Amino acid sequence: AQSVTQPDIHITVSEGASLELRCNYSYGATPYLFWYVQSPGQGLQLLLKYFSGDTLVQGIKGFEAEFKRSQSSFNLRKPSVHWSDAAEYFCAVGRVFNNDMRFGAGTRLTVKP
Amino acid sequence: DGGITQSPKYLFRKEGQNVTLSCEQNLNHDAMYWYRQDPGQGLRLIYYSQIVNDFQKGDIAEGYSVSREKKESFPLTVTSAQKNPTAFYLCASSIVGSADYEQYFGPGTRLTVT
Repeated sequence: AQSVTQPDIHITVSEGASLELRCNYSYGATPYLFWYVQSPGQGLQLLLKYFSGDTLVQGIKGFEAEFKRSQSSFNLRKPSVHWSDAAEYFCAVGRVFNNDMRFGAGTRLTVKP
Repeated sequence: DGGITQSPKYLFRKEGQNVTLSCEQNLNHDAMYWYRQDPGQGLRLIYYSQIVNDFQKGDIAEGYSVSREKKESFPLTVTSAQKNPTAFYLCASSIVGSADYEQYFGPGTRLTVT
């Protein structure tokens, strides 16, 4: 079965600094990978997804992620963080043609002024 | 606008009572899901349904029940058998049968049982 690990429970960055959130997955075949963002007390919003093709994926709100098969990773990046990016971020892995998704435990991002 | 609605946003119940959480979608999605979210544990799948009148247990189905009588609706009942029901519950939906899918989430219901 597929699984996801987000090694960082909580990250604090200064506004304007760059951001990288780590995600490692375990899955025997080509995975379908997602990053979602959740504001406090809200549902999840999709930031970006990777299915196939170019391993560098662009998403909404200036986020991007890179799929590295050799490292089983799908790290999320943003060159310059804004205070409004403070939220919880979830990485998820799914199987192609199968809607069974597995979510990581999440990384909470705090942005310092 | 298409989307998923969950009601109510906050729900309070006494221990021993069953409670039903509502989830409605107008995205014309075939699949619907219920997740439970606890701090530090991410999302855990309770039940999912890919077609009307059919549903499957997820990883933590014990103490929960669902029904899928209409495509648009997938209510979740938290029964008195659920040992620790206080949590944030999220409903989601997605298309079925496509290689390229994502799950769309509702705003969630926070259930507190005392």
